[in-house]
Amino acid sequence: NAGVTQTPKFRILKIGQSMTLQCAQDMNHNYMYWYRQDPGMGLKLIYYSVGAGITDKGEVPNGYNVSRSTTEDFPLRLELAAPSQTSVYFCASTGQGYGYTFGSGTRLTVV
Amino acid sequence: TQLLEQSPQFLSIQEGENLTVYCNSSSVFSSLQWYRQEPGEGPVLLVTVVTGGEVKKLKRLTFQFGDARKDSSLHITAAQPGDTGLYLCAGFDLYNFNKFYFGSGTKLNVKP
Repeated sequence: NAGVTQTPKFRILKIGQSMTLQCAQDMNHNYMYWYRQDPGMGLKLIYYSVGAGITDKGEVPNGYNVSRSTTEDFPLRLELAAPSQTSVYFCASTGQGYGYTFGSGTRLTVV
Repeated sequence: TQLLEQSPQFLSIQEGENLTVYCNSSSVFSSLQWYRQEPGEGPVLLVTVVTGGEVKKLKRLTFQFGDARKDSSLHITAAQPGDTGLYLCAGFDLYNFNKFYFGSGTKLNVKP
């Protein structure tokens, strides 16, 4: 099925470790986004991209990095994991601004 | 600063009751979306409203976009346990790199 695919679904990291959250979409959407959602809360924008080779910071970019080498892929990198980064991470894409398609999320715990 | 304010934050009602959720902002948006999110899943788009004053219906759900395109409401008639979830509104800023701004959500629990 067409959509946004995120991997992994779950991950436990130790403080100071690094990891990359993968996100891929097959809808040829130009716009892609990374959000984090803390328990019982709404979504906060981490980074976004308006096309291959173009990325920009959202509301809460500290501690994260992104790249967009292709239209399909938008990985999110955590370099030095901290407990404050424990959250659920959602990747989303949109073509024309008429609503996001979300991935199913990556639940990350930093201990 | 929260760009979109949702109210109420929590709502617990009995099956069959009606309810309204509000999404308010001081900013004008090109369009506004409503999403429902169930535990362990990503948000799923319910509706997009674009024109000021627009009303859209999706079965028992009625969505309205304010005339000035700064606010929206979601009304559910005869709520059912299957309506339980987190309802999120998101405003779309066409002039700011196509960014969506999300409200903090309304957690709805419909008891049988």
